[in-house]
Amino acid sequence: AQTVTQSQPEMSVQEAETVTLSCTYDTSESDYYLFWYKQPPSRQMILVIRQEAYKQQNATENRFSVNFQKAAKSFSLKISDSQLGDAAMYFCAAGAGNMLTFGGGTRLMVKP
Amino acid sequence: DTGVSQNPRHKITKRGQNVTFRCDPISEHNRLYWYRQTLGQGPEFLTYFQNEAQLEKSRLLSDRFSAERPKGSFSTLEIQRTEQGDSAMYLCASSLMTGEGKNIQYFGAGTRLSVL
Repeated sequence: AQTVTQSQPEMSVQEAETVTLSCTYDTSESDYYLFWYKQPPSRQMILVIRQEAYKQQNATENRFSVNFQKAAKSFSLKISDSQLGDAAMYFCAAGAGNMLTFGGGTRLMVKP
Repeated sequence: DTGVSQNPRHKITKRGQNVTFRCDPISEHNRLYWYRQTLGQGPEFLTYFQNEAQLEKSRLLSDRFSAERPKGSFSTLEIQRTEQGDSAMYLCASSLMTGEGKNIQYFGAGTRLSVL
């Protein structure tokens, strides 16, 4: 069984600044993956970044990076140089090869 | 565009009616998933297929819900005798399960169901 918790229902960031979205999880699996998905209003979910739990090195994708703390079961997303197009719902998810378990989401607002 | 396609995008129905949604996955993907997303919440897993085999269906919300993937390509999700509580976005995702276990799920735009 897996649970994913996002404790920030809403976050706000100034354009060009950096913001960090929090996520904690719990799982009984020994081999699992963690994901951040972005869901713009009325549009489909897009994978932002993915982390294999067996890898200690934090994943990065351009302006997006994660801080993966396995012992603490924490998986935060850092967005650098925020852009207006980053405004969306962000979902943290955990999976072990089949289903994904999602958190409740964080709405990110970007101020011009 | 060869992404995940879902039809219809919106469905309005009256309580007690049956509805069916269709999902066309990315063509080479062997796995297909259904999720439900209620307003302000994250997606909730319902069921998934590997090719035509339904490998997990215990998370379907009730026996009114059923899914098929008859030829291992497109899938349908049916809700019988709809209730107002069934109103939600129904999301489909597909993935290519490899021996490396990468299994990245790609989502469709969803079907929004409104039960009056």
